[in-house]
Amino acid sequence: QKEVEQDPGPLSVPEGAIVSLNCTYSNSAFQYFMWYRQYSRKGPELLMYTYSSGNKEDGRFTAQVDKSSKYISLFIRDSQPSDSATYLCAMSASGNTGKLIFGQGTTLQVKP
Amino acid sequence: DVKVTQSSRYLVKRTGEKVFLECVQDMDHENMFWYRQDPGLGLRLIYFSYDVKMKEKGDIPEGYSVSREKKERFSLILESASTNQTSMYLCASSLGGQTNEKLFFGSGTQLSVL
Repeated sequence: QKEVEQDPGPLSVPEGAIVSLNCTYSNSAFQYFMWYRQYSRKGPELLMYTYSSGNKEDGRFTAQVDKSSKYISLFIRDSQPSDSATYLCAMSASGNTGKLIFGQGTTLQVKP
Repeated sequence: DVKVTQSSRYLVKRTGEKVFLECVQDMDHENMFWYRQDPGLGLRLIYFSYDVKMKEKGDIPEGYSVSREKKERFSLILESASTNQTSMYLCASSLGGQTNEKLFFGSGTQLSVL
């Protein structure tokens, strides 16, 4: 069993839809949770960064962490074609090593 | 903005060749990382470095080595390339301390070993 599981999709939604992307994990020591966005032929870029449980909002993006269920989510409101990308969840236990465990990535396509 | 530059976008090599992948960052970051990205497997850490001339093994170091002679440059070396090393290689850097998890990635090098 992988430490981090992420549905690879692809996920296709119409413009304006609410998108929910999810990851589950098995290591209860994980405390730092990130979402990276990767456009085609580009490297990943950090989108959201959260510590421990709870919600974090940044514009149209909301990250949720439920440590009791070992489940994290990224919600995208009013999705746009420019949101079409691969979304990677990542997590770590220590917060200061840079050694991240990544999910497989979910490919999202937002159709105009 | 932080810029992480990888020297080659695409690279084709033959089995048994020695391969160098170069990475340079321009923001005086302490830490540098090499990941490989494969479909269905996500990103996996090969090697990382917290300081000049220091290196540590990641999760899949076999068949690879690294060099960090200068703070801004981190090289990945495939001593004898094999077909199972065909992959996308991503270099990343981070500032250090409590921001270590905030990685800045280069655009990647797609390596094909024939």
